[in-house]
Amino acid sequence: GAVVSQHPSRVICKSGTSVKIECRSLDFQATTMFWYRQFPKQSLMLMATSNEGSKATYEQGVEKDKFLINHASLTLSTLTVTSAHPEDSSFYICSARVLGLGDTQYFGPGTRLTVL
Amino acid sequence: AQSVTQPDIHITVSEGASLELRCNYSYGATPYLFWYVQSPGQGLQLLLKYFSGDTLVQGIKGFEAEFKRSQSSFNLRKPSVHWSDAAEYFCAVGAGLTGGGNKLTFGTGTQLKVEL
Repeated sequence: GAVVSQHPSRVICKSGTSVKIECRSLDFQATTMFWYRQFPKQSLMLMATSNEGSKATYEQGVEKDKFLINHASLTLSTLTVTSAHPEDSSFYICSARVLGLGDTQYFGPGTRLTVL
Repeated sequence: AQSVTQPDIHITVSEGASLELRCNYSYGATPYLFWYVQSPGQGLQLLLKYFSGDTLVQGIKGFEAEFKRSQSSFNLRKPSVHWSDAAEYFCAVGAGLTGGGNKLTFGTGTQLKVEL
């Protein structure tokens, strides 16, 4: 149980385009999902907390107009990187909070974004 | 604010040898502590977690961790390492009343290499 999927697993796009990444909880409902960014050989940095039906809460220094987060249902959150630039290239990982199972975050497999 | 320190960036052990990965945390209240493992290009898999109760926690894949409040530590151990254990290991502390469901702060990770 507690499986989280992400799509796509890899994406390459041109500078200036927008990219949407999906995060789904497959076998449970997640009222809260989290988006992280991970640079090579570094730890995970929380970008934002996404609550179903409400606006996301962004961490300090994260541009909310650049990283659009939508959590329209209890099983789906999306991260859209708008007007992507090469410096946005990174590994993006989502997690979903599981209530009633020790209140733990379960992570998706990640999405590798490369902006040319 | 909470913080996590993983003092060892890289550790190399021989297959069959015992393993201990160190983790020290800083948090003003009772911490919620986690160990995750990440294989290259993959998301994070939960190994074990501590919320309360018995300070020795058993996890998956034969791992265990011991919470020591006096030392602010939550070290991960395994009595006999397998080659498949080679990966990046992250310690994390959760904040808030519902620890794991709120923000996780990750350590910088420890890269484990297993020599055959």
